[in-house]
Amino acid sequence: DTAVSQTPKYLVTQMGNDKSIKCEQNLGHDTMYWYKQDSKKFLKIMFSYNNKELIINETVPNRFSPKSPDKAHLNLHINSLELGDSAVYFCASSQDILGGLGYTFGSGTRLTVV
Amino acid sequence: AQSVTQLGSHVSVSEGALVLLRCNYSSSVPPYLFWYVQYPNQGLQLLLKYTSAATLVKGINGFEAEFKKSETSFHLTKPSAHMSDAAEYFCAVSESGVGSGNTPLVFGKGTRLSVIA
Repeated sequence: DTAVSQTPKYLVTQMGNDKSIKCEQNLGHDTMYWYKQDSKKFLKIMFSYNNKELIINETVPNRFSPKSPDKAHLNLHINSLELGDSAVYFCASSQDILGGLGYTFGSGTRLTVV
Repeated sequence: AQSVTQLGSHVSVSEGALVLLRCNYSSSVPPYLFWYVQYPNQGLQLLLKYTSAATLVKGINGFEAEFKKSETSFHLTKPSAHMSDAAEYFCAVSESGVGSGNTPLVFGKGTRLSVIA
């Protein structure tokens, strides 16, 4: 019974295309996140939502647009994909905005732009 | 803003030897500190966390970490390495727990642990 599930696991697409990654958590958590992991394994926060409300929007190109239809879902839509968008994208959730119990991560979506 | 420095991008130990992965943090307020492990092609799994209770924290798989405020450190240790411990380890810090607003986890650059038979 997966706690944080992301789809798809792998995504290969051409430059200029638009793609979406979906994330769902069944933990009843209030807060969800998107992180980007680059080729050197560095993890960087992209967005954070708390109860469907955008809390954090780091310096991310506006080609990236998160959407949270309800607090259990946080999807990521990417327009006009570029080579530099190739990375592993992780969705995560925490019980509340304080995150004191830690985050639960999904297994990641490996995006390859060719 | 908070930050984390992990000393050593790659650590190699023999099976049965002590594992020591170093983490130093910077935070303007008392932090929450975490260690995560990432196995190849998988997500991150929480190993242990420090949230201002006991300074010596025990986690899963025999790992533990000690919070030392004077040294701003949170090093991860395991007395005896096992082959299955080979993975990428990330230290992370958050200031969220002390009412400073929603500051998400900030991760170090990771340390790859290799275990030699």
